[in-house]
Amino acid sequence: GAGVSQSPSNKVTEKGKDVELRCDPISGHTALYWYRQSLGQGLEFLIYFQGNSAPDKSGLPSDRFSAERTGGSVSTLTIQRTQQEDSAVYLCASSLRLAGGGETQYFGPGTRLLVL
Amino acid sequence: AQSVTQLGSHVSVSEGALVLLRCNYSSSVPPYLFWYVQYPNQGLQLLLKYTTGATLVKGINGFEAEFKKSETSFHLTKPSAHMSDAAEYFCAVSDPTGTYKYIFGTGTRLKVLA
Repeated sequence: GAGVSQSPSNKVTEKGKDVELRCDPISGHTALYWYRQSLGQGLEFLIYFQGNSAPDKSGLPSDRFSAERTGGSVSTLTIQRTQQEDSAVYLCASSLRLAGGGETQYFGPGTRLLVL
Repeated sequence: AQSVTQLGSHVSVSEGALVLLRCNYSSSVPPYLFWYVQYPNQGLQLLLKYTTGATLVKGINGFEAEFKKSETSFHLTKPSAHMSDAAEYFCAVSDPTGTYKYIFGTGTRLKVLA
C-alpha cells in the first residue's frame, strides 16, 4: 500500500517568508508525528497528533512554528518568518496506535528546506 | 527523561566483516527500542524493534539486536557487511508517557570498504 508522502520534496525560500510543508499519512493511521533533522541537532521531535486529542506541541522550537491536521488525515506544518536556522529536513511519520505503545512509526521521505 | 547514546558517529568495516553499532539508553520504565536505517536522501526505514518478549530481535537485511536490561544497551549487529549496508543508522527509544514519540540517538554513519 501507499506509504507516507510529503510535499514538496525540496523547498528553497528567502529569509522572512512563510512556508507550508504537507504530510499525507498512511490511510487509517491515527497518530502523526513531525520531526526535524538538522546538522548539529540530529533528529528532534516537533509535534504529535492523535485522533481528535489536543496535539502535543512540546517540541516546537518557537511560536513561528505551527501545525494542523485536518479531518484526522493530512497535516500541514507551517513556519512563519523563516530564519536560516530553520534549514533542515522535516520528516513526517504516522503510526497505528496500539494499546500500551510500541507501534512502529512509518516515515515519509522528508521535505528538505533551505532558507537563504 | 529518556535519552539515547550512540557511540561512534562514523564506523568503517570491510565488506564481509562483522558490523557492530552501539546504542545505550536511559529510561525510567521498560523501554520500547528501535533501529532505523536512512539511505541518502530518503526517509527512515525500520530495521527492527524490541517491545516485549525475546530479547534477541531479528530484523531485515540480516541485522539483529539484543536488548540487555542490565547494560541498558541495544546494540545492532550483522555478521557480514555488504556494500549495500552503507547508510546512517539511528537508534531510538519510544517515550512511554503517552505520545510514544521517538527520542533518537545522534546516528552512526556506516561505511563499508571493498
